[in-house]
Amino acid sequence: AQTVTQSQPEMSVQEAETVTLSCTYDTSESDYYLFWYKQPPSRQMILVIRQEAYKQQNATENRFSVNFQKAAKSFSLKISDSQLGDAAMYFCAYRSYGGSQGNLIFGKGTKLSVKP
Amino acid sequence: ETGVTQTPRHLVMGMTNKKSLKCEQHLGHNAMYWYKQSAKKPLELMFVYNFKEQTENNSVPSRFSPECPNSSHLFLHLHTLQPEDSALYLCASSQAGGNTIYFGEGSWLTVV
Repeated sequence: AQTVTQSQPEMSVQEAETVTLSCTYDTSESDYYLFWYKQPPSRQMILVIRQEAYKQQNATENRFSVNFQKAAKSFSLKISDSQLGDAAMYFCAYRSYGGSQGNLIFGKGTKLSVKP
Repeated sequence: ETGVTQTPRHLVMGMTNKKSLKCEQHLGHNAMYWYKQSAKKPLELMFVYNFKEQTENNSVPSRFSPECPNSSHLFLHLHTLQPEDSALYLCASSQAGGNTIYFGEGSWLTVV
C-alpha cells in the first residue's frame, strides 16, 4: 500500500522569504500523480500544484514549485516570496495512475505560518 | 468563490437525529466524492460517484447514506451517528477519469 509522509508538522517563514515543505512517499508503482493541496482557515482544499511521475521536469505555478526526485520518492514544495495569504495547512497527496478514482492518499499535513 | 458549494457549513446533531449534507458543483464535472477529515487522521475517501452511479464505498458504516440525483448534486444522509463521527466532511468533484479533484469548503459536523 502507498503511504505519504510529511515530517514537518509546523513550519514558519518570514514574509517575502522562501520556504520548502517536505514530502516523501512509498510506492511500488512507476506511474502516479503527486499533488500539493493548501487548506486555509476556510477549510477548502485548494490545489496548488500537480506533478505526473512520468514527467522529469519539475512542475511550477507562479511562486510555487516542486522538487520531484522519483528515485528518492521525494516531492517537496518550494514557496518563493512568501505572502501572508500563504499561511495554511499544506497537504501532500498521491494518486495511482489509472487507479481507484478519487483515492488520493494524503499526508498528515504541514501547518505553515507566515510572519510579517 | 468555489465551484463546489457545500451546505450547511456547520451542523450540530444528536445521536438520534436524521440530517443531510448537501453538495453542488458548478464545474460541469461528472464525478463527485465525499471525504472525511478528522482531527488526527489524514483525509479519507468515503464514496465515489461517476455519472450518478456509486462506484466506490470505502467500508463506510451504513449510518452514512449517500445520494447522487444528478451529476451536479450529491447528498450525504446522516442517521444515528456516533460522537466519533464528528469531523469535517468535504465534497469534491472532477471529470470522470480525470486526475485533478476540486474540493468544497466542507461541512463541520458535531455529534452530541
